[in-house]
Amino acid sequence: EADIYQTPRYLVIGTGKKITLECSQTMGHDKMYWYQQDPGMELHLIHYSYGVNSTEKGDLSSESTVSRIRTEHFPLTLESARPSHTSQYLCASSAPTNEKLFFGSGTQLSVL
Amino acid sequence: QKEVEQDPGPLSVPEGAIVSLNCTYSNSAFQYFMWYRQYSRKGPELLMYTYSSGNKEDGRFTAQVDKSSKYISLFIRDSQPSDSATYLCATLKTSYDKVIFGPGTSLSVIP
Repeated sequence: EADIYQTPRYLVIGTGKKITLECSQTMGHDKMYWYQQDPGMELHLIHYSYGVNSTEKGDLSSESTVSRIRTEHFPLTLESARPSHTSQYLCASSAPTNEKLFFGSGTQLSVL
Repeated sequence: QKEVEQDPGPLSVPEGAIVSLNCTYSNSAFQYFMWYRQYSRKGPELLMYTYSSGNKEDGRFTAQVDKSSKYISLFIRDSQPSDSATYLCATLKTSYDKVIFGPGTSLSVIP
Protein backbone atom coordinates (compact mmCIF):
# COMPACT_ATOMS: atom_id res chain seq x y z
CA GLU A 1 0.00 0.00 0.00
CA ALA A 2 1.25 3.44 -0.96
CA ASP A 3 2.46 5.68 1.85
CA ILE A 4 0.98 8.93 0.66
CA TYR A 5 -1.60 10.71 2.75
CA GLN A 6 -4.04 13.48 2.04
CA THR A 7 -6.10 15.47 4.50
CA PRO A 8 -8.88 16.29 4.77
CA ARG A 9 -10.73 13.59 2.82
CA TYR A 10 -13.79 15.79 2.46
CA LEU A 11 -14.11 19.55 2.81
CA VAL A 12 -17.22 21.68 2.47
CA ILE A 13 -16.50 25.38 2.70
CA GLY A 14 -18.04 28.72 1.87
CA THR A 15 -17.03 31.05 -0.94
CA GLY A 16 -14.10 33.31 -0.19
CA LYS A 17 -12.45 31.11 2.43
CA LYS A 18 -8.77 30.28 2.32
CA ILE A 19 -8.04 26.56 2.32
CA THR A 20 -4.98 24.34 2.38
CA LEU A 21 -5.05 20.74 1.24
CA GLU A 22 -2.34 18.65 2.84
CA CYS A 23 -0.29 15.93 1.16
CA SER A 24 2.54 13.95 2.73
CA GLN A 25 4.54 10.94 1.59
CA THR A 26 6.95 8.77 3.55
CA MET A 27 8.69 7.14 0.57
CA GLY A 28 11.36 9.80 0.11
CA HIS A 29 10.18 10.54 -3.44
CA ASP A 30 11.55 13.69 -5.05
CA LYS A 31 8.69 14.08 -7.51
CA MET A 32 5.24 15.10 -6.32
CA TYR A 33 2.11 16.10 -8.22
CA TRP A 34 -1.35 17.58 -7.75
CA TYR A 35 -4.12 16.44 -10.08
CA GLN A 36 -7.69 17.68 -10.37
CA GLN A 37 -10.40 15.19 -11.31
CA ASP A 38 -14.06 15.84 -12.06
CA PRO A 39 -16.55 12.92 -12.27
CA GLY A 40 -16.11 10.92 -15.48
CA MET A 41 -13.26 13.15 -16.63
CA GLU A 42 -9.56 12.58 -16.99
CA LEU A 43 -6.98 13.57 -14.42
CA HIS A 44 -5.57 17.03 -15.07
CA LEU A 45 -2.13 17.96 -13.77
CA ILE A 46 -2.28 21.32 -12.01
CA HIS A 47 1.07 21.47 -10.16
CA TYR A 48 4.23 19.44 -9.85
CA SER A 49 7.53 19.51 -8.03
CA TYR A 50 10.77 17.70 -8.75
CA GLY A 51 12.34 18.48 -5.40
CA VAL A 52 12.58 20.90 -2.49
CA ASN A 53 12.04 24.55 -3.51
CA SER A 54 11.01 23.43 -7.00
CA THR A 55 7.41 23.96 -8.15
CA GLU A 56 5.88 24.23 -11.61
CA LYS A 57 2.41 24.77 -13.00
CA GLY A 58 0.83 21.86 -14.80
CA ASP A 59 -1.19 21.62 -17.96
CA LEU A 60 -4.47 22.83 -16.48
CA SER A 61 -4.52 26.42 -15.31
CA SER A 62 -5.37 26.66 -11.63
CA GLU A 63 -5.76 29.52 -9.17
CA SER A 64 -4.20 27.39 -6.47
CA THR A 65 -0.59 27.61 -5.31
CA VAL A 66 1.79 25.01 -3.90
CA SER A 67 4.97 24.95 -1.88
CA ARG A 68 7.70 22.35 -1.35
CA ILE A 69 9.75 23.22 1.69
CA ARG A 70 10.31 19.60 2.75
CA THR A 71 10.67 16.53 0.56
CA GLU A 72 7.77 14.75 2.20
CA HIS A 73 5.26 17.60 2.20
CA PHE A 74 3.49 19.25 -0.77
CA PRO A 75 0.50 21.36 0.35
CA LEU A 76 -1.91 23.09 -2.03
CA THR A 77 -3.52 26.40 -1.10
CA LEU A 78 -6.52 28.29 -2.45
CA GLU A 79 -6.51 31.88 -1.20
CA SER A 80 -10.19 32.48 -1.94
CA ALA A 81 -12.32 29.45 -2.70
CA ARG A 82 -15.09 29.67 -5.31
CA PRO A 83 -17.79 27.21 -6.42
CA SER A 84 -15.79 26.61 -9.62
CA HIS A 85 -13.07 25.06 -7.44
CA THR A 86 -15.40 22.22 -6.45
CA SER A 87 -13.61 19.05 -7.53
CA GLN A 88 -11.55 16.11 -6.34
CA TYR A 89 -7.90 16.89 -5.75
CA LEU A 90 -5.42 14.01 -5.91
CA CYS A 91 -1.82 14.12 -4.77
CA ALA A 92 0.78 11.72 -6.19
CA SER A 93 4.48 10.99 -6.00
CA SER A 94 7.01 9.06 -8.06
CA ALA A 95 10.71 8.24 -8.14
CA PRO A 96 12.91 8.10 -9.98
CA THR A 97 10.90 7.62 -13.19
CA ASN A 98 7.24 8.24 -13.88
CA GLU A 99 5.88 4.86 -14.98
CA LYS A 100 4.56 4.32 -11.49
CA LEU A 101 2.70 7.09 -9.70
CA PHE A 102 1.57 6.57 -6.12
CA PHE A 103 -1.67 8.37 -5.36
CA GLY A 104 -3.27 9.47 -2.15
CA SER A 105 -6.98 8.90 -1.53
CA GLY A 106 -7.85 12.42 -2.57
CA THR A 107 -9.65 15.42 -1.09
CA GLN A 108 -13.20 16.01 -2.27
CA LEU A 109 -13.68 19.78 -2.10
CA SER A 110 -17.11 21.39 -2.25
CA VAL A 111 -17.33 25.19 -2.27
CA LEU A 112 -20.79 26.57 -1.57
CA GLN B 1 -8.21 15.85 -30.43
CA LYS B 2 -7.44 14.43 -26.99
CA GLU B 3 -4.13 12.61 -26.73
CA VAL B 4 -5.67 9.54 -25.08
CA GLU B 5 -9.28 8.44 -25.61
CA GLN B 6 -11.36 5.82 -23.85
CA ASP B 7 -14.97 4.80 -24.02
CA PRO B 8 -16.27 5.97 -20.61
CA GLY B 9 -18.83 3.18 -20.35
CA PRO B 10 -20.31 2.23 -18.00
CA LEU B 11 -19.56 -1.38 -18.81
CA SER B 12 -21.52 -4.03 -16.93
CA VAL B 13 -20.60 -7.74 -17.13
CA PRO B 14 -21.55 -10.89 -15.21
CA GLU B 15 -19.06 -12.43 -12.82
CA GLY B 16 -16.65 -14.75 -14.61
CA ALA B 17 -16.79 -12.89 -17.93
CA ILE B 18 -13.74 -11.83 -19.91
CA VAL B 19 -13.53 -8.06 -19.99
CA SER B 20 -11.83 -6.04 -22.70
CA LEU B 21 -11.01 -2.40 -22.02
CA ASN B 22 -9.53 -0.24 -24.74
CA CYS B 23 -7.79 3.05 -25.38
CA THR B 24 -6.53 4.85 -28.44
CA TYR B 25 -3.81 7.47 -28.50
CA SER B 26 -2.78 10.04 -31.04
CA ASN B 27 0.97 10.59 -30.63
CA SER B 28 3.28 7.92 -32.06
CA ALA B 29 6.03 9.18 -29.74
CA PHE B 30 4.37 7.55 -26.73
CA GLN B 31 6.41 4.56 -25.59
CA TYR B 32 5.21 3.70 -22.07
CA PHE B 33 1.66 2.51 -21.51
CA MET B 34 0.03 2.05 -18.14
CA TRP B 35 -3.28 0.90 -16.72
CA TYR B 36 -4.47 2.32 -13.42
CA ARG B 37 -7.44 1.09 -11.42
CA GLN B 38 -9.45 3.56 -9.37
CA TYR B 39 -12.03 2.47 -6.84
CA SER B 40 -14.79 4.87 -5.86
CA ARG B 41 -13.57 7.62 -3.52
CA LYS B 42 -9.95 6.45 -3.83
CA GLY B 43 -6.87 7.48 -5.77
CA PRO B 44 -5.74 5.46 -8.80
CA GLU B 45 -3.32 2.57 -8.31
CA LEU B 46 -1.03 1.18 -10.98
CA LEU B 47 -2.14 -2.21 -12.33
CA MET B 48 0.32 -2.79 -15.14
CA TYR B 49 2.70 -1.01 -17.43
CA THR B 50 4.33 -1.99 -20.70
CA TYR B 51 7.08 -0.51 -22.78
CA SER B 52 6.57 -0.31 -26.54
CA SER B 53 4.47 -2.95 -28.30
CA GLY B 54 3.55 -6.41 -27.10
CA ASN B 55 1.72 -8.22 -24.35
CA LYS B 56 2.26 -8.39 -20.62
CA GLU B 57 0.43 -10.77 -18.32
CA ASP B 58 -0.06 -10.59 -14.55
CA GLY B 59 -2.45 -13.11 -13.08
CA ARG B 60 -5.92 -12.48 -14.52
CA PHE B 61 -4.81 -9.29 -16.26
CA THR B 62 -3.21 -8.94 -19.70
CA ALA B 63 -2.09 -5.64 -21.17
CA GLN B 64 -1.64 -5.39 -24.92
CA VAL B 65 -0.12 -2.57 -26.97
CA ASP B 66 -0.35 -2.26 -30.75
CA LYS B 67 1.75 0.73 -31.71
CA SER B 68 0.96 0.37 -35.41
CA SER B 69 -2.69 1.16 -34.74
CA LYS B 70 -2.07 3.23 -31.58
CA TYR B 71 -4.33 0.92 -29.61
CA ILE B 72 -4.01 -0.19 -25.98
CA SER B 73 -6.04 -2.98 -24.39
CA LEU B 74 -6.51 -4.47 -20.95
CA PHE B 75 -8.08 -7.92 -20.67
CA ILE B 76 -9.47 -9.23 -17.39
CA ARG B 77 -10.14 -12.96 -17.23
CA ASP B 78 -12.60 -14.54 -14.79
CA SER B 79 -13.82 -11.12 -13.72
CA GLN B 80 -14.79 -10.69 -10.06
CA PRO B 81 -17.08 -8.20 -8.30
CA SER B 82 -13.91 -6.78 -6.71
CA ASP B 83 -12.81 -5.73 -10.22
CA SER B 84 -15.63 -3.17 -10.26
CA ALA B 85 -13.80 0.14 -10.61
CA THR B 86 -12.79 2.77 -13.14
CA TYR B 87 -9.85 1.79 -15.33
CA LEU B 88 -7.60 4.57 -16.60
CA CYS B 89 -5.10 4.12 -19.39
CA ALA B 90 -2.06 6.38 -19.37
CA THR B 91 0.97 7.01 -21.53
CA LEU B 92 4.44 8.55 -21.47
CA LYS B 93 6.89 9.51 -24.21
CA THR B 94 9.87 8.88 -21.97
CA SER B 95 9.99 7.67 -18.39
CA TYR B 96 10.75 11.23 -17.24
CA ASP B 97 7.83 12.89 -19.00
CA LYS B 98 4.53 13.91 -17.48
CA VAL B 99 1.89 11.20 -17.58
CA ILE B 100 -1.09 11.63 -19.92
CA PHE B 101 -4.28 9.98 -18.63
CA GLY B 102 -7.38 8.88 -20.46
CA PRO B 103 -10.79 9.70 -18.91
CA GLY B 104 -11.33 6.12 -17.67
CA THR B 105 -13.85 3.36 -18.28
CA SER B 106 -16.26 2.47 -15.47
CA LEU B 107 -16.64 -1.29 -15.02
CA SER B 108 -19.23 -3.13 -12.93
CA VAL B 109 -18.96 -6.89 -12.42
CA ILE B 110 -22.32 -8.28 -11.35
CA PRO B 111 -22.33 -11.33 -9.01
